Amino acid sequence: DIQLTQSPSFLSASVGDRVTITCRASQGISSYLAWYQQKPGKAPKLLIYAASTLQSGVPSRFSGSGSGTEFTLTISSLQPEDFATYYCQQPYTFGQGTKLEIK
Amino acid sequence: EVQLVESGGDLVQPGGSLRLSCAASGFTFSSYAMSWVRQAPGKGLEWVSAISLGGGSSYYADSVKGRFTISRDNSKNMLYLHVNSLRAEDTAVYYCAKHPRGYYDSSGYYCDYWGQGTLVTVSS
Repeated sequence: DIQLTQSPSFLSASVGDRVTITCRASQGISSYLAWYQQKPGKAPKLLIYAASTLQSGVPSRFSGSGSGTEFTLTISSLQPEDFATYYCQQPYTFGQGTKLEIK
Repeated sequence: EVQLVESGGDLVQPGGSLRLSCAASGFTFSSYAMSWVRQAPGKGLEWVSAISLGGGSSYYADSVKGRFTISRDNSKNMLYLHVNSLRAEDTAVYYCAKHPRGYYDSSGYYCDYWGQGTLVTVSS
Protein backbone atom coordinates (compact mmCIF):
# COMPACT_ATOMS: atom_id res chain seq x y z
CA ASP A 1 0.00 0.00 0.00
CA ILE A 2 1.12 3.52 -0.77
CA GLN A 3 1.71 5.73 2.26
CA LEU A 4 1.55 9.53 2.31
CA THR A 5 3.67 11.46 4.82
CA GLN A 6 3.04 15.15 5.39
CA SER A 7 5.54 17.57 6.86
CA PRO A 8 5.45 19.38 9.09
CA SER A 9 2.63 17.98 11.25
CA PHE A 10 2.25 21.36 12.95
CA LEU A 11 3.06 24.79 11.56
CA SER A 12 2.87 28.14 13.29
CA ALA A 13 2.72 31.21 11.05
CA SER A 14 1.48 34.80 10.88
CA VAL A 15 -1.02 36.54 8.64
CA GLY A 16 0.77 37.52 5.45
CA ASP A 17 3.37 34.73 5.64
CA ARG A 18 4.12 32.38 2.76
CA VAL A 19 3.86 28.78 3.89
CA THR A 20 4.61 25.45 2.25
CA ILE A 21 3.39 22.00 3.25
CA THR A 22 5.02 18.88 1.81
CA CYS A 23 3.45 15.51 1.07
CA ARG A 24 5.71 12.56 0.22
CA ALA A 25 4.43 9.31 -1.27
CA SER A 26 6.10 5.98 -0.56
CA GLN A 27 5.87 5.12 -4.27
CA GLY A 28 5.46 7.21 -7.39
CA ILE A 29 1.86 8.33 -7.92
CA SER A 30 2.30 10.48 -11.03
CA SER A 31 0.11 13.56 -10.42
CA TYR A 32 -2.71 11.73 -8.62
CA LEU A 33 -2.72 13.97 -5.57
CA ALA A 34 -5.33 16.24 -4.04
CA TRP A 35 -5.24 18.72 -1.17
CA TYR A 36 -8.04 19.54 1.28
CA GLN A 37 -8.61 22.13 3.98
CA GLN A 38 -10.57 21.25 7.11
CA LYS A 39 -11.71 23.59 9.86
CA PRO A 40 -12.81 22.32 13.30
CA GLY A 41 -16.24 20.70 13.24
CA LYS A 42 -16.54 21.08 9.47
CA ALA A 43 -16.25 18.81 6.47
CA PRO A 44 -13.08 18.89 4.37
CA LYS A 45 -13.00 21.26 1.41
CA LEU A 46 -11.24 20.41 -1.85
CA LEU A 47 -8.50 22.91 -2.71
CA ILE A 48 -6.38 21.29 -5.42
CA TYR A 49 -6.55 18.13 -7.53
CA ALA A 50 -4.21 16.51 -10.04
CA ALA A 51 -1.38 17.96 -7.96
CA SER A 52 -1.68 21.51 -9.30
CA THR A 53 -5.21 22.23 -10.56
CA LEU A 54 -7.06 24.76 -8.43
CA GLN A 55 -10.65 23.78 -7.63
CA SER A 56 -13.23 26.31 -8.78
CA GLY A 57 -13.81 29.05 -6.23
CA VAL A 58 -10.57 28.49 -4.31
CA PRO A 59 -8.49 31.66 -3.91
CA SER A 60 -5.43 31.94 -6.13
CA ARG A 61 -3.12 32.31 -3.11
CA PHE A 62 -3.32 28.51 -2.89
CA SER A 63 -1.13 26.56 -5.29
CA GLY A 64 0.11 23.01 -5.65
CA SER A 65 3.06 21.44 -7.37
CA GLY A 66 4.97 18.20 -7.72
CA SER A 67 4.75 14.79 -9.29
CA GLY A 68 6.00 11.30 -8.59
CA THR A 69 6.73 11.13 -4.88
CA GLU A 70 7.03 14.72 -3.68
CA PHE A 71 4.31 17.35 -3.67
CA THR A 72 3.82 20.75 -2.10
CA LEU A 73 0.91 22.98 -1.15
CA THR A 74 1.81 26.66 -0.93
CA ILE A 75 -0.22 29.51 0.49
CA SER A 76 1.36 32.70 -0.83
CA SER A 77 0.03 35.15 1.77
CA LEU A 78 -1.78 33.69 4.76
CA GLN A 79 -5.20 35.10 5.55
CA PRO A 80 -6.99 34.69 8.91
CA GLU A 81 -9.43 32.20 7.39
CA ASP A 82 -6.58 29.91 6.25
CA PHE A 83 -5.75 28.66 9.73
CA ALA A 84 -6.96 25.07 9.55
CA THR A 85 -5.74 21.51 9.04
CA TYR A 86 -4.59 20.46 5.58
CA TYR A 87 -4.60 16.94 4.15
CA CYS A 88 -3.14 15.44 1.00
CA GLN A 89 -4.82 12.46 -0.66
CA GLN A 90 -4.03 9.90 -3.32
CA PRO A 91 -6.37 7.08 -4.37
CA TYR A 92 -7.30 5.15 -1.18
CA THR A 93 -5.03 7.11 1.21
CA PHE A 94 -4.87 10.41 3.07
CA GLY A 95 -1.83 11.99 4.66
CA GLN A 96 -1.88 12.41 8.43
CA GLY A 97 -2.59 16.13 8.23
CA THR A 98 -0.79 19.42 8.89
CA LYS A 99 -2.30 21.76 11.46
CA LEU A 100 -1.62 25.40 10.61
CA GLU A 101 -1.87 27.65 13.65
CA ILE A 102 -1.60 31.36 14.25
CA LYS A 103 1.75 32.48 15.66
CA GLU B 1 -26.48 23.59 -5.13
CA VAL B 2 -24.97 20.21 -4.29
CA GLN B 3 -26.17 18.89 -0.94
CA LEU B 4 -25.20 15.70 0.85
CA VAL B 5 -26.97 14.93 4.11
CA GLU B 6 -25.88 11.94 6.18
CA SER B 7 -27.98 10.20 8.82
CA GLY B 8 -28.09 6.97 10.79
CA GLY B 9 -25.20 7.48 13.17
CA ASP B 10 -25.79 6.28 16.71
CA LEU B 11 -24.29 4.79 19.87
CA VAL B 12 -23.96 1.04 19.33
CA GLN B 13 -22.39 -1.80 21.27
CA PRO B 14 -19.33 -3.68 20.00
CA GLY B 15 -20.43 -6.30 17.51
CA GLY B 16 -23.49 -4.30 16.55
CA SER B 17 -24.71 -3.03 13.20
CA LEU B 18 -26.00 0.16 11.63
CA ARG B 19 -27.07 1.50 8.28
CA LEU B 20 -25.75 4.93 7.41
CA SER B 21 -27.59 6.92 4.75
CA CYS B 22 -26.70 9.89 2.59
CA ALA B 23 -29.37 11.89 0.77
CA ALA B 24 -28.02 13.64 -2.32
CA SER B 25 -29.50 16.60 -4.18
CA GLY B 26 -28.50 19.38 -6.56
CA PHE B 27 -26.76 17.14 -9.09
CA THR B 28 -27.41 14.09 -11.26
CA PHE B 29 -26.65 11.49 -8.59
CA SER B 30 -26.62 8.55 -11.00
CA SER B 31 -23.71 10.04 -12.97
CA TYR B 32 -21.10 10.11 -10.21
CA ALA B 33 -19.11 7.78 -8.03
CA MET B 34 -19.55 8.26 -4.29
CA SER B 35 -17.47 7.49 -1.22
CA TRP B 36 -17.60 7.23 2.53
CA VAL B 37 -14.70 8.77 4.46
CA ARG B 38 -14.41 8.66 8.23
CA GLN B 39 -12.62 10.63 10.92
CA ALA B 40 -12.07 9.30 14.43
CA PRO B 41 -12.28 11.91 17.20
CA GLY B 42 -9.21 14.15 17.07
CA LYS B 43 -7.67 12.10 14.24
CA GLY B 44 -7.15 12.40 10.50
CA LEU B 45 -9.23 11.37 7.52
CA GLU B 46 -9.56 7.72 6.48
CA TRP B 47 -11.10 6.65 3.18
CA VAL B 48 -13.55 3.80 3.86
CA SER B 49 -15.36 2.78 0.68
CA ALA B 50 -16.34 3.90 -2.82
CA ILE B 51 -18.97 2.88 -5.36
CA SER B 52 -19.24 3.53 -9.09
CA LEU B 53 -22.11 5.44 -10.69
CA GLY B 54 -24.27 2.39 -11.31
CA GLY B 55 -23.21 0.44 -8.26
CA GLY B 56 -21.46 -2.23 -10.29
CA SER B 57 -18.04 -1.60 -8.78
CA SER B 58 -17.25 -1.09 -5.11
CA TYR B 59 -14.03 -0.70 -3.18
CA TYR B 60 -13.13 -1.00 0.50
CA ALA B 61 -10.31 -0.13 2.85
CA ASP B 62 -8.65 -3.22 4.32
CA SER B 63 -9.76 -2.11 7.78
CA VAL B 64 -13.45 -2.56 6.90
CA LYS B 65 -13.41 -5.22 4.17
CA GLY B 66 -15.86 -8.00 4.95
CA ARG B 67 -17.68 -5.94 7.61
CA PHE B 68 -18.95 -2.91 5.70
CA THR B 69 -21.05 -2.84 2.51
CA ILE B 70 -21.60 0.22 0.34
CA SER B 71 -24.67 0.50 -1.86
CA ARG B 72 -26.75 3.11 -3.67
CA ASP B 73 -30.29 3.61 -4.89
CA ASN B 74 -30.16 5.92 -7.88
CA SER B 75 -33.96 6.10 -8.07
CA LYS B 76 -33.98 7.71 -4.62
CA ASN B 77 -30.67 9.62 -4.85
CA MET B 78 -29.44 7.73 -1.79
CA LEU B 79 -26.08 6.30 -0.75
CA TYR B 80 -25.78 3.75 2.03
CA LEU B 81 -23.14 2.15 4.19
CA HIS B 82 -24.10 -1.01 6.03
CA VAL B 83 -21.70 -1.42 8.94
CA ASN B 84 -21.52 -4.74 10.77
CA SER B 85 -19.37 -6.32 13.47
CA LEU B 86 -18.57 -2.86 14.81
CA ARG B 87 -15.45 -2.32 16.89
CA ALA B 88 -14.37 0.50 19.17
CA GLU B 89 -11.92 1.65 16.49
CA ASP B 90 -14.84 2.25 14.10
CA THR B 91 -15.94 5.17 16.28
CA ALA B 92 -15.82 8.19 13.98
CA VAL B 93 -17.70 10.82 12.05
CA TYR B 94 -18.65 9.26 8.73
CA TYR B 95 -18.74 11.60 5.75
CA CYS B 96 -20.49 11.00 2.45
CA ALA B 97 -18.56 12.50 -0.47
CA LYS B 98 -19.10 12.94 -4.20
CA HIS B 99 -16.48 12.26 -6.86
CA PRO B 100 -16.15 14.31 -10.06
CA ARG B 101 -16.42 11.23 -12.31
CA GLY B 102 -18.52 8.12 -12.57
CA TYR B 103 -15.75 5.78 -11.50
CA TYR B 104 -13.31 5.68 -8.62
CA ASP B 105 -10.11 5.70 -10.65
CA SER B 106 -6.93 7.67 -11.19
CA SER B 107 -8.83 10.61 -12.68
CA GLY B 108 -11.71 10.64 -10.22
CA TYR B 109 -10.32 9.60 -6.84
CA TYR B 110 -10.74 12.97 -5.17
CA CYS B 111 -13.94 14.32 -3.61
CA ASP B 112 -15.36 17.63 -4.77
CA TYR B 113 -18.32 17.80 -2.36
CA TRP B 114 -18.78 16.50 1.18
CA GLY B 115 -21.64 16.18 3.61
CA GLN B 116 -21.43 17.32 7.22
CA GLY B 117 -21.08 13.81 8.61
CA THR B 118 -22.86 11.48 11.01
CA LEU B 119 -21.30 10.22 14.25
CA VAL B 120 -20.97 6.54 14.99
CA THR B 121 -19.93 5.67 18.53
CA VAL B 122 -19.08 2.07 19.37
CA SER B 123 -19.04 1.49 23.10
CA SER B 124 -20.50 -0.79 25.72
